[in-house]
Formats: sequence, structure tokens, C-alpha cells
Amino acid sequence: GEDVEQSLFLSVREGDSSVINCTYTDSSSTYLYWYKQEPGAGLQLLTYIFSNMDMKQDQRLTVLLNKKDKHLSLRIADTQTGDSAIYFCAESINTGTASKLTFGTGTRLQVTL
Amino acid sequence: DAGVIQSPRHEVTEMGQEVTLRCKPISGHNSLFWYRQTMMRGLELLIYFNNNVPIDDSGMPEDRFSAKMPNASFSTLKIQPSEPRDSAVYFCASSFFSGYEQYFGPGTRLTVT
Repeated sequence: GEDVEQSLFLSVREGDSSVINCTYTDSSSTYLYWYKQEPGAGLQLLTYIFSNMDMKQDQRLTVLLNKKDKHLSLRIADTQTGDSAIYFCAESINTGTASKLTFGTGTRLQVTL
Repeated sequence: DAGVIQSPRHEVTEMGQEVTLRCKPISGHNSLFWYRQTMMRGLELLIYFNNNVPIDDSGMPEDRFSAKMPNASFSTLKIQPSEPRDSAVYFCASSFFSGYEQYFGPGTRLTVT
């Protein structure tokens, strides 16, 4: 199947690091993405990683990719209250004639003081 | 660029009425996607277009739903007749190609009473 799985909820204290995990299914995915959705808004692209990379760092964000285990993670350093949102991972699925993104269920990150 | 534009932002209608949601993708993008988001089912892909041609409509719930893309800068999603279970947030997204990162509009919150 095309299930992309994530845990539903994560709570962290402000200033701590957050790690959001995702498992995907298609070993031929070329790109994997992380999106952020704040309340009442659409999904915002945060970062992405190409499938031949193991790690990508972008300011407070670190993406780790384990292709063998089909595992993707997003680490947010020094988590702030403004990071509270739902985070979606997505993989690019090639169907032969076209490609599309398959999104995970989303992880709700709650940042407490 | 103004990003993906959706209208209306909110729509309240009575059961049985026709509802038309509108989307203007980012200029130069070749792929357009319609999603529905609910608490129960999460984010669901309804249909997507490449170069104005529908590629995959397997996510369209039933014949009451239809989508068109008459040109590269406009798409509609129509529900006729609408039912209370259609209440959701409907997102439009566009991308340069269908397997690449997608940019989401702010969504239309539909309430059918």
C-alpha cells in the first residue's frame, strides 16, 4: 500500500529538541518532504531531502533519512511555542505515467512552557 | 508571487445546494491538486491535473463531485448536491511537476447544514 505513517501526537517543553518520525513505503521515492500546518492555514513546505542523501540541515531543522528502514525524521532544535502545529511527511510516488505526493497522517506537536 | 489563491475562504450552504470552489494555481506550475481535510479522515487527495488534464480522480468520493481545469490558471471543484458529510476544509495545491513539492492554498472551509 501507499501508507505513510506518523505518530499522532508529540509534546515537548520550550527549548528542548523535538523529533518527529515517519515511515514510508515506496523505496523508489526520489524526494521526501516535511510540511507544517498551523491552525486555520494550509500546509507550508518546510524542507525536503533527496533520496540519495542521509541528512539535511536547515537552521533549526535537521532531516535524517534511513533508506534501508524507510524511515524519515525531522528534528527541531530549541523548539519554540511558534513551532506548535501539525507536521506532515510526504513521499513522492511514481505511478508509471505520473507522480504524486502521498502524505502521512500528520503529527500534532504541542510545545509547553 | 501571490501563491495559490482559493475562493471562497468560507462557505456555508444547505444540504442539496450546489457548491463551487475555485482555485488559481501559481503561475508556471503544471500540476494542480484538490485535497479534502477532515478530523476523521485526515488529508485526502481527491483529484489532480497535469497540464490541465485530469490524471487521477480515484479519490473523488462519488458522482456528486466533479472538477475541471479549463485553462492553466483556473480550476473548480463542484459538489452537486451537497450533503452534511461533505463538510470539510478543501485545499488546492500546485507544483511545477506532479512529483515535486506542492504549494498549498489557504483552503476553503465548507459547512453543509
